[in-house]
Amino acid sequence: GIQVEQSPPDLILQEGANSTLRCNFSDSVNNLQWFHQNPWGQLINLFYIPSGTKQNGRLSATTVATERYSLLYISSSQTTDSGVYFCAVVDYKLSFGAGTTVTVRA
Amino acid sequence: ETGVTQTPRHLVMGMTNKKSLKCEQHLGHNAMYWYKQSAKKPLELMFVYSLEERVENNSVPSRFSPECPNSSHLFLHLHTLQPEDSALYLCASSLLIGDTEAFFGQGTRLTVV
Repeated sequence: GIQVEQSPPDLILQEGANSTLRCNFSDSVNNLQWFHQNPWGQLINLFYIPSGTKQNGRLSATTVATERYSLLYISSSQTTDSGVYFCAVVDYKLSFGAGTTVTVRA
Repeated sequence: ETGVTQTPRHLVMGMTNKKSLKCEQHLGHNAMYWYKQSAKKPLELMFVYSLEERVENNSVPSRFSPECPNSSHLFLHLHTLQPEDSALYLCASSLLIGDTEAFFGQGTRLTVV
């Protein structure tokens, strides 16, 4: 199956800082999703992004499918951005990376 | 409202009990999934259903038994579980299997005692 690697595994930020999370995948995929898992366990959809760049408020994502990676940018981080961020790639199902745990300190 | 609703949110069961997890989606999707998330491990796909037919069973022990009576409902029947089955169980749906966006429910946090 497709291998998905996320980096870094852990990230500690001061409120207001910017950060970049990376997702590498081992093979061609139909699509890619970014999720934020809140403290109660729910996966919140952030982006559905097969290629190119999308922005949603302080978050943006870029996928370069030909080079098999995607980046998630968090700008002006807030404490509510804390949680685990997952990248998942789609061949016929979602295959998840191990996640990046983000802690934003006030 | 995510469009995918799971019940119960929390469940504690003994190893000899039988219980069921329920997932319902209101998105008009045709594919539904069960995932397991154990502590410190990536999400693991358990089962995939497309148009009420099971298309994948990822070597899941028989003590987990899925049921998809229609395209809007998915159940996971549990019996004689082990403590190591304690985990967060997540249901998801997508319009089609493959290249369409998936949406997740809130999850059921299961503890086996």
